[in-house]
Amino acid sequence: GQNIDQPTEMTATEGAIVQINCTYQTSGFNGLFWYQQHAGEAPTFLSYNVLDGLEEKGRFSSFLSRSKGYSYLLLKELQMKDSASYLCAVPLGGYNKLIFGAGTRLAVHP
Amino acid sequence: GAVVSQHPSRVICKSGTSVKIECRSLDFQATTMFWYRQFPKQSLMLMATSNEGSKATYEQGVEKDKFLINHASLTLSTLTVTSAHPEDSSFYICSASLQGAPNYGYTFGSGTRLTVV
Repeated sequence: GQNIDQPTEMTATEGAIVQINCTYQTSGFNGLFWYQQHAGEAPTFLSYNVLDGLEEKGRFSSFLSRSKGYSYLLLKELQMKDSASYLCAVPLGGYNKLIFGAGTRLAVHP
Repeated sequence: GAVVSQHPSRVICKSGTSVKIECRSLDFQATTMFWYRQFPKQSLMLMATSNEGSKATYEQGVEKDKFLINHASLTLSTLTVTSAHPEDSSFYICSASLQGAPNYGYTFGSGTRLTVV
């Protein structure tokens, strides 16, 4: 089976930095995705990590440690528009079906 | 880039009726599509994997006779919610795997908000 864990909710202040963690236990590993989702909308791709280490993309960075089954998404210089759900997801099985964690709802306050 | 068009975006239906949701890949061939359901304040739950020309593979706990999936062509997959009940009210969203490999990414439809009254 598989298990993907994320904190349910987080709050942060505008301009600050926040780190959203994701731990996973899967049979096989084919990379890990982070998505952003606003209510009622489709998820938006943020990052894909398949090798260990940190990948930076503007204000967003994503880290992966395969040996620890751990990833985090780092959001810098938070803006109000970053208030959203952040979903960690892993592709599994022969068809690489994308399985999502429960998601972390981030609220950014002024 | 690869686009999946999903419609309707919103639908209200009466309890006991059926509703069909379509997802079309506009500029690529989607051999495999995935259907998800999302309840308020929850994450996307995979319902089934749809493969062109073959039967869909349903996740545990998803009733295949209630959620009919048809993937008759490389550009169209449909989900029909049969005999809908209020508890089926949810956000349904499809996704296609690009090139069949994760590193190419996935593209999502815009979702369908189903309300059963």
